[in-house]
Amino acid sequence: NAGVTQTPKFQVLKTGQSMTLQCAQDMNHEYMSWYRQDPGMGLRLIHYSVGAGITDQGEVPNGYNVSRSTTEDFPLRLLSAAPSQTSVYFCASSPVLVWEEQYFGPGTRLTVT
Amino acid sequence: EDKVVQSPLSLVVHEGDTVTLNCSYEVTNFRSLLWYKQEKKAPTFLFMLTSSGIEKKSGRLSSILDKKELSSILNITATQTGDSAIYLCAVESNFGNEKLTFGTGTRLTIIP
Repeated sequence: NAGVTQTPKFQVLKTGQSMTLQCAQDMNHEYMSWYRQDPGMGLRLIHYSVGAGITDQGEVPNGYNVSRSTTEDFPLRLLSAAPSQTSVYFCASSPVLVWEEQYFGPGTRLTVT
Repeated sequence: EDKVVQSPLSLVVHEGDTVTLNCSYEVTNFRSLLWYKQEKKAPTFLFMLTSSGIEKKSGRLSSILDKKELSSILNITATQTGDSAIYLCAVESNFGNEKLTFGTGTRLTIIP
């Protein structure tokens, strides 16, 4: 079992560029989410999904888009990168509302210059 | 808006000491509180506390939920260098939305 995988591990973007952070899980989990982690801020929820075809906004959704066409994949798109989006991004998955079975991916460190 | 506050923000102790980390919350319709340990990479699950399970223990780690005080503590006894990590607290509210609200975390450093 690979669990939750994220690519890339590191990325540097210039302001205004767009990119997609990939997230995949092989545990057949219905719930997937994206968080960002900034120093002194803890984890903040960007977007989440309770199943294929269903997505919803979290605490800090502006500047990000998501889609969930399959159970396995939950990509996060940065439409026009800004320095304020410099952060570490974590993807997570779990059965819906079974938080003790939530697993996080290894993270993507993104720098926007 | 749900709010989770952890204290202290950072803590440095010597190996063998006992530490207590705090988490307080303000949420609509509390459902559960979770503790995670984050070493160099992704957070890993430690405990989940609910109204029906207010105390959990695993080895040297234990956690208690105080629903009256809207808070929880995480205790680590006989600390080891491997306990050095960021400890995150998260709360779920039973308000129809499926998400967790995280605190800022406590960075614990154990000195040999």
